[in-house]
Amino acid sequence: EDQVTQSPEALRLQEGESSSLNCSYTVSGLRGLFWYRQDPGKGPEFLFTLYSAGEEKEKERLKATLTKKESFLHITAPKPEDSATYLCAASYNFNKFYFGSGTKLNVKP
Amino acid sequence: DGGITQSPKYLFRKEGQNVTLSCEQNLNHDAMYWYRQDPGQGLRLIYYSQIVNDFQKGDIAEGYSVSREKKESFPLTVTSAQKNPTAFYLCASRPGLAGDTQYFGPGTRLTVL
Repeated sequence: EDQVTQSPEALRLQEGESSSLNCSYTVSGLRGLFWYRQDPGKGPEFLFTLYSAGEEKEKERLKATLTKKESFLHITAPKPEDSATYLCAASYNFNKFYFGSGTKLNVKP
Repeated sequence: DGGITQSPKYLFRKEGQNVTLSCEQNLNHDAMYWYRQDPGQGLRLIYYSQIVNDFQKGDIAEGYSVSREKKESFPLTVTSAQKNPTAFYLCASRPGLAGDTQYFGPGTRLTVL
């Protein structure tokens, strides 16, 4: 069964303390892995798309990487404004997308 | 501004009532989606449409209905047959053949009284 699992469910960091979020997928024939940021009460905001194992993408303090079984979202020297829920999604045909339940990140000043 | 709009932001429904959630996009995207989000759970697909006048059921379509009469509009009706409709509803669109990434609207929070 196609599915996506994110860990940890919640993560508390001190400002400046780097860490990584994990997204494991079992979607057969993966064609795209997507990362989103969601603030409370708002719609998800697109961050990255990764297409093949070994690919990396960066945006400010965030870097996403992809292997054949999982993706990581690395957060370097986070700031309080990085606090949000981070969602990942996988697709094998770009018609249906399988979402994980998210990692809630809290960065303390 | 180009984007996806959803209305209303908050919606209250009495048991037994049907309600319709609006989703409009001016991005000229071909595909549109409806998801439901419950606390602690991932987004679950309700319906999706790849072109006008065509749509497919997602994983949790029971108790919901949609229409796609115009490219820019994809309204979702939550019927009285949906037993637990209280949730956060998200609409998304995707360029279609020209693109693979979904972009989301701001969401509608539906509460059944």
